[in-house]
Order: sequence, then structure tokens, then C-alpha cells
Amino acid sequence: DAKTTQPTSMDCAEGRAANLPCNHSTISGNEYVYWYRQIHSQGPQYIIHGLKNNETNEMASLIITEDRKSSTLILPHATLRDTAVYYCIVSPFYGQNFVFGPGTRLSVLP
Amino acid sequence: NAGVTQTPKFQVLKTGQSMTLQCAQDMNHEYMSWYRQDPGMGLRLIHYSVGAGITDQGEVPNGYNVSRSTTEDFPLRLLSAAPSQTSVYFCASTTEASLNTEAFFGQGTRLTVV
Repeated sequence: DAKTTQPTSMDCAEGRAANLPCNHSTISGNEYVYWYRQIHSQGPQYIIHGLKNNETNEMASLIITEDRKSSTLILPHATLRDTAVYYCIVSPFYGQNFVFGPGTRLSVLP
Repeated sequence: NAGVTQTPKFQVLKTGQSMTLQCAQDMNHEYMSWYRQDPGMGLRLIHYSVGAGITDQGEVPNGYNVSRSTTEDFPLRLLSAAPSQTSVYFCASTTEASLNTEAFFGQGTRLTVV
């Protein structure tokens, strides 16, 4: 079973920030939080990952709570191309042996 | 640099037939894995390999075999296809050799067993 809980679906207006929450209350000290997305049933695409500090890259920001039991992926200016299923995954392995849940289906609306 | 390449993209099999799904990566990644994705579901791990000559089972290994004779290739074999194996199959690779630990996924093989 997936170790994370995410909303089934979310809507976001184009140009606005999309904030996708994830609960991982049983996360272990050595587990990273990864975010991937899947567009139109293509192969999943890496977005960002973190251990305990907040992280930012050219695609998104990852905010991890101090107790590490939840996190939020932020897409700062969502576009129609960001419509996808977003997966939050916790894993102690570097990009390996992921347990995927059903994810959050984000719809960016014009 | 092609990344992770899967062939074929689509395949229809009859029950009982066997086939091999091909996966190749050109990034010299030591770690490769196979996942399947059923409609409306997340991906589930079938088999993985941490290097040439080493393979291990994932969450749903029954009905599938793998081998890893080279770093580049990681084929998935269906010995006797069943309708329950109708799914989309994804291959992934990654490495621990750099600070970037993202996994690269192929574009998938859509398999239908009739």
C-alpha cells in the first residue's frame, strides 16, 4: 500500500498557483519525499524531491512540514500543460522501488 | 541521448502466448525496473535490477521473468500471457552515482491480452 494520501482531484485556474497537498504521517527518518507527474498516460516525469528542507527548482517548489508528516507541491504559475496526475511518493531509495498511489488529478482550467 | 526506450509501443497477444518487452537505456544507469499500470491506478513494481547479473522481485512479479545481462538492457518476459496482464508497462532507470536521483521512465508499452 502507498504510504501517502492525496486528494483524488483538484482544479486550478490558469496562471494561478497550484498547491497540491500530500500526507505521509508514517514517513521514516531516512525516507525522501518525491513528486512525479504523468501526462496523458505517458511515462511519469520527475518534478522534485526533498528530505526535510524546502526545495525549489525550475518546475516547482516543495514545502515539507517541520514534523515531515505532510508536504505541499507548488506550481507557481500553472499552465494548461500542467494538467496531469501528480504522484507524491516516499522512499528511502534513490529513485528506486517506488510505491505509487492513485495520485491527484490536477486540471488547469482556462 | 535517447534516455529510456521501450519497444514495442503497442502489442496484442492471445491468451497463452509468450513475448518479451524490451527496455534499453543509454545513460549507464545501474538501476532499472519494470512497473505496470492498470486503468485508474498508480504504477506497481514488477521486477528490478541493481546491476548487470542481479535481479529481484517487486510487488507483483508472478507471471513475469527478467534478466540483466548488460547494463543497458532489461527485458521483461511474459511466459504465458493472461487477460489479467492487460496493462501499460513502464520501464525506469536511475543511478546513485550523482546528486540528481530522479528516475527516468520510458513511454510505455500498451499490452492487451485477449
